Amino acid sequence: QKEVEQNSGPLSVPEGAIASLNCTYSDRGSQSFFWYRQYSGKSPELIMFIYSNGDKEDGRFTAQLNKASQYVSLLIRDSQPSDSATYLCAVNIGPSGTYKYIFGTGTRLKVLA
Amino acid sequence: KAGVTQTPRYLIKTRGQQVTLSCSPISGHRSVSWYQQTPGQGLQFLFEYFSETQRNKGNFPGRFSGRQFSNSRSEMNVSTLELGDSALYLCASSLDSRQGAYEQYFGPGTRLTVT
Repeated sequence: QKEVEQNSGPLSVPEGAIASLNCTYSDRGSQSFFWYRQYSGKSPELIMFIYSNGDKEDGRFTAQLNKASQYVSLLIRDSQPSDSATYLCAVNIGPSGTYKYIFGTGTRLKVLA
Repeated sequence: KAGVTQTPRYLIKTRGQQVTLSCSPISGHRSVSWYQQTPGQGLQFLFEYFSETQRNKGNFPGRFSGRQFSNSRSEMNVSTLELGDSALYLCASSLDSRQGAYEQYFGPGTRLTVT
């Protein structure tokens, strides 16, 4: 079992719809969770981070964390063609103070105009 | 505030050579991590430095090494290059993980091609 798993996609959604991206992780001691957006040929850009169970909203983005079920998700509301990119889930593996970040392989999102 | 900078941006080397990549973190950030990104393996963690000390290391051979200077700038070195080392090498910095500021910000990367 991989430490951080994501569906590779592509996930295709029409413009204006909600895109839902999911990520599961294996280490129950993980404390910090991140979502990055990566455009082709560019480096990852941090768009959300979440440390506590529940939802965290920032503009059109909502991160959801459920530690009991070991999953973290990202919702993108009112999806735009400019949101088309690969979304990487990252987990800080281990207890607080561990400095090893594990990335999923990413989900490719395509927003259709 | 300036972001993470990496030099050089592109590099072409021959098998057997060695290479040194440089990373300057965001001002005030003390933690620097290095990653290798390839199409087949995705983003792989190499190592992380804080206050000139390596705190964690990924599963890479000893040919990959790094260091951090007192101004938090970091370098990574790859010796005896192999074709499989061709990748995008990314550096990321964070403020201070020990105080809960775990968010990492990436530089533009160095594209290394080994021929």
